[in-house]
Amino acid sequence: TQLLEQSPQFLSIQEGENLTVYCNSSSVFSSLQWYRQEPGEGPVLLVTVVTGGEVKKLKRLTFQFGDARKDSSLHITAAQTGDTGLYLCAQFHMDTGRRALTFGSGTRLQVQP
Amino acid sequence: NAGVTQTPKFQVLKTGQSMTLQCAQDMNHEYMSWYRQDPGMGLRLIHYSVGAGITDQGEVPNGYNVSRSTTEDFPLRLLSAAPSQTSVYFCASSRDLSYSNQPQHFGDGTRLSIL
Repeated sequence: TQLLEQSPQFLSIQEGENLTVYCNSSSVFSSLQWYRQEPGEGPVLLVTVVTGGEVKKLKRLTFQFGDARKDSSLHITAAQTGDTGLYLCAQFHMDTGRRALTFGSGTRLQVQP
Repeated sequence: NAGVTQTPKFQVLKTGQSMTLQCAQDMNHEYMSWYRQDPGMGLRLIHYSVGAGITDQGEVPNGYNVSRSTTEDFPLRLLSAAPSQTSVYFCASSRDLSYSNQPQHFGDGTRLSIL
């Protein structure tokens, strides 16, 4: 079973600070997705990364896929209170005929005003 | 613009009771899935379906049944509720997962408590 580890588990910062959260796998990703989940809602896709070394930007969010495709990071510049939420990475896998996404346990981010 | 709709939003059950969590999507998606979310454990896959009439087990299927008689609906049945099934349940849908970068569209969840 492929495992996804996310770190840190919790992060509390002040508005305006920068932060980075990480997602690591025990094996090579075919692709990786990042989701954000706000309280009382389901996760919403932020980005999909496919190619090793790929960097994608979404406003103040920068997503990076490791060269070896076993790790990914999410960097937020000048965090805002609206960035508060649970950040989840997810890896697609297809083994023994099962097609499914495996999610990490998430990084819970609290941005204080 | 409904997307994925889950009902009910909240439910309290007694141990041993059965119930069905409903999930419907209006995007003509082939792939549908059920996850449970527990504190500190992320989302764990219960069952999934790649199309009408086809279902398969995920990571934590015990105590749950599913069926997929139409493309739109994918109900999750708890056969005999146990306190360990207290959780938040999410339904998701996407286009065919043969291509690994399909986004999952999630409902807003059902919060289930088993007493």
